[in-house]
Amino acid sequence: GQNIDQPTEMTATEGAIVQINCTYQTSGFNGLFWYQQHAGEAPTFLSYNVLDGLEEKGRFSSFLSRSKGYSYLLLKELQMKDSASYLCAVKDSWGKLQFGAGTQVVVTP
Amino acid sequence: GAVVSQHPSWVICKSGTSVKIECRSLDFQATTMFWYRQFPKQSLMLMATSNEGSKATYEQGVEKDKFLINHASLTLSTLTVTSAHPEDSSFYICSAREAGDVQPQHFGDGTRLSIL
Repeated sequence: GQNIDQPTEMTATEGAIVQINCTYQTSGFNGLFWYQQHAGEAPTFLSYNVLDGLEEKGRFSSFLSRSKGYSYLLLKELQMKDSASYLCAVKDSWGKLQFGAGTQVVVTP
Repeated sequence: GAVVSQHPSWVICKSGTSVKIECRSLDFQATTMFWYRQFPKQSLMLMATSNEGSKATYEQGVEKDKFLINHASLTLSTLTVTSAHPEDSSFYICSAREAGDVQPQHFGDGTRLSIL
């Protein structure tokens, strides 16, 4: 079956760094996506990894290790507006996105 | 960037009413669109994959006669919740993907459906 695990909640202070881990076991692998979702809103695309390694995009970076079934999203220089749920999603063999339950990041002053 | 528009954003109606939700890709053509449902504090659950010009593919456990999907053009897909009941109350989100398998899905703003 499909299994995508990420922590339920993480708390960090403004200006700090937070790393959100995601492990997965899916029917096939065609890429891993990270989305940000604010309460009551739809997800917005943050990053995409299909090959092993680190992808950097401004304050956000995402890492993938396919052999370990593992990814992380790194948020640097945290801002209050980064308080949101972060969703890890894997594209399976059929091209469908399988989502994790999301990690709620709480940024405190 | 790619923009997906979803309408309406909020619906409150009586039990037994049918509700239509529209999903449009504004600046790109989407041969495939996806419909998700999300309950509070839970992740997105795929309901169906909508393919332009053909029948939608429904996930296991999703009633195709209750959730009617029409993908009549490359920029528009609609989801109709027929004879809605309180248990259908949820956040419904559509997404669309540009041509090319490596393109990410872009999400609409979602529709919050409340059935009284």
